[in-house]
Amino acid sequence: QSALTQPPSASGSPGQSVTISCTGTSSDVGGYNHVSWYQQHPGKAPKLLIYEVYKWPSGVPDRFSGSKSGNTASLTVSGLQAEDEADYYCSSYAGSNHWVFGGGTKLTVL
Amino acid sequence: QLVESGGDLVQPGGSLRLSCAASGFTFSGYWMIWVRQAPGKGLEWVAHIKGDGSVKYYVDSVKGRFTVSRDNAKNSLYLQMNSLRAEDTAVYYCVRETSWSFDFWGQGTLVTVSS
Repeated sequence: QSALTQPPSASGSPGQSVTISCTGTSSDVGGYNHVSWYQQHPGKAPKLLIYEVYKWPSGVPDRFSGSKSGNTASLTVSGLQAEDEADYYCSSYAGSNHWVFGGGTKLTVL
Repeated sequence: QLVESGGDLVQPGGSLRLSCAASGFTFSGYWMIWVRQAPGKGLEWVAHIKGDGSVKYYVDSVKGRFTVSRDNAKNSLYLQMNSLRAEDTAVYYCVRETSWSFDFWGQGTLVTVSS
């Protein structure tokens, strides 16, 4: 199982929207609705933002939204805030009882 | 709360056992996972274990070397790591799984494999 493909970096100004993509294959992202997204600030543990493609865990603001089309999942951060500057990772069930993560995207708030 | 311990500096070929103490939820009711992150790198799923400990899955790179286990009476998760390699150097996170996602993470424990 190969890692999912994410852009290494993304950026936007406060108040803008930014979308981060996560590309896999029909064996992982395209084959299951078990895509999740995580936010990680430097030196901290990751935090779940989105699960099952588009669902929010309790406490996560709806500025974060998820979607999927074919083999590509996307995370959109609306109304960018300074505290959104972090690394973002996607994850998907990859079949055969394996899970796979993306390589991560560093989001910079300009 | 999930609190990992046991990370250390170990020589290549050596062994280490990580522990994770869980509290605040019904530990036995959840699949638990180990996820690792090499310095400056991304996340990597390592192993999964079912709530009753009867089913275990591993990433191919650790099969035969790592063993995940749990003691529900002690609300604890373990990762026995043998034949350690330099590429196993990472922060190891203890994580709870819910709805095919990883919803609750420990703070991590650092394993360094080096001579």
